Amino acid sequence: GEDVEQSLFLSVREGDSSVINCTYTDSSSTYLYWYKQEPGAGLQLLTYIFSNMDMKQDQRLTVLLNKKDKHLSLRIADTQTGDSAIYFCAEGSTLGRLYFGRGTQLTVWP
Amino acid sequence: DAGVTQSPTHLIKTRGQQVTLRCSPKSGHDTVSWYQQALGQGPQFIFQYYEEEERQRGNFPDRFSGHQFPNYSSELNVNALLLGDSALYLCASSLGGASSEQYFGPGTRLTVT
Repeated sequence: GEDVEQSLFLSVREGDSSVINCTYTDSSSTYLYWYKQEPGAGLQLLTYIFSNMDMKQDQRLTVLLNKKDKHLSLRIADTQTGDSAIYFCAEGSTLGRLYFGRGTQLTVWP
Repeated sequence: DAGVTQSPTHLIKTRGQQVTLRCSPKSGHDTVSWYQQALGQGPQFIFQYYEEEERQRGNFPDRFSGHQFPNYSSELNVNALLLGDSALYLCASSLGGASSEQYFGPGTRLTVT
């Protein structure tokens, strides 16, 4: 399960919702993750979803998982300029190894 | 509750030299994984340490080696540095190796000249 694909760029206006999409290949993945990376920084764990769940909501964040299509999305409600960053989707193997996409650069315009 | 810490923050080395990077996991975690993130790319898995043993390894040459200490902290060693080893090296900690929650440190920026 080593192919994780994401679109590279997304631009939204402040206050709108952002939706970042991701596809993965390994049907045996245990968990699927979303991480945020700001310039020059490490990765911040935003949220994760167990592979047998369809949806998880955490404040402004909603994760949707379509296991049949191996599609994961992250919706950020009421997007703020402070949400501008690179967002990484990752799938986790049973032993905890993570496979990452190349990241989606989210730009939020005031 | 201390998060994942890494040292040093930045490092500049010359081609052919050796480097050691350090990581202390989040309090209560016992598993450390190392990742290499080249510019503009997603992190790539190097290896994972659990119970002081290398449990999994990614597609990296033997020049990359590591160690885990009884207090769960870990070191990443890279020998015979190449220009292509320039990257951000990230450490992630978790509990039990297959935990749902994996937390990353701030990384060490290695530049090889």
